[in-house]
Amino acid sequence: GAVVSQHPSRVICKSGTSVKIECRSLDFQATTMFWYRQFPKKSLMLMATSNEGSKATYEQGVEKDKFLINHASLTLSTLTVTSAHPEDSSFYICSARPIDRGFLEQYFGPGTRLTVT
Amino acid sequence: KQEVTQIPAALSVPEGENLVLNCSFTDSAIYNLQWFRQDPGKGLTSLLLIQSSQREQTSGRLNASLDKSSGRSTLYIAASQPGDSATYLCAALGFGNEKLTFGTGTRLTIIP
Repeated sequence: GAVVSQHPSRVICKSGTSVKIECRSLDFQATTMFWYRQFPKKSLMLMATSNEGSKATYEQGVEKDKFLINHASLTLSTLTVTSAHPEDSSFYICSARPIDRGFLEQYFGPGTRLTVT
Repeated sequence: KQEVTQIPAALSVPEGENLVLNCSFTDSAIYNLQWFRQDPGKGLTSLLLIQSSQREQTSGRLNASLDKSSGRSTLYIAASQPGDSATYLCAALGFGNEKLTFGTGTRLTIIP
């Protein structure tokens, strides 16, 4: 149980285009989902906290207009990288907190590798 | 602001040896501390979660300890195997907020 999926797993896009990444909790509901970014050989950096039905909370230094987050249901959050540039190339990982588990657990997706050419 | 550090950044040991990975955090007001494993190009696999009221957790060959007062956690791996080769990350969940702060990671290589 507690499986989180991400789609796509890999995406290559041209500079200036937008890319949408989906994060789904497959067998549980999650009011809160998190989006992380990981540069090569670096740790995960929290980008934003996504709450179902409300606006996402972004970490300092993360551009809200570039990284659009939508949490439309209890099982789906999306991250859209708008007008992508090569410096946006990274590994993006989402996590989801089950609705009935409080602070104790976050379940992580397998990640999405974004390459902007 | 919480800062989580892991030392060493990389470690290579022969198969069969026991080893310890270290994690330190600057703010002891944590709700829990979690250890993850990450294989190259993959997502995170949760290994052990220690609540702030606990001192250690065990799962198979893995044992994680937590000392909040000193801001340290260790992950002990017994009888290491080549399949244990991966990057190990620790993460602290801040008390009063929902945010996980990740450490810098230790890249472990087990030599057959």
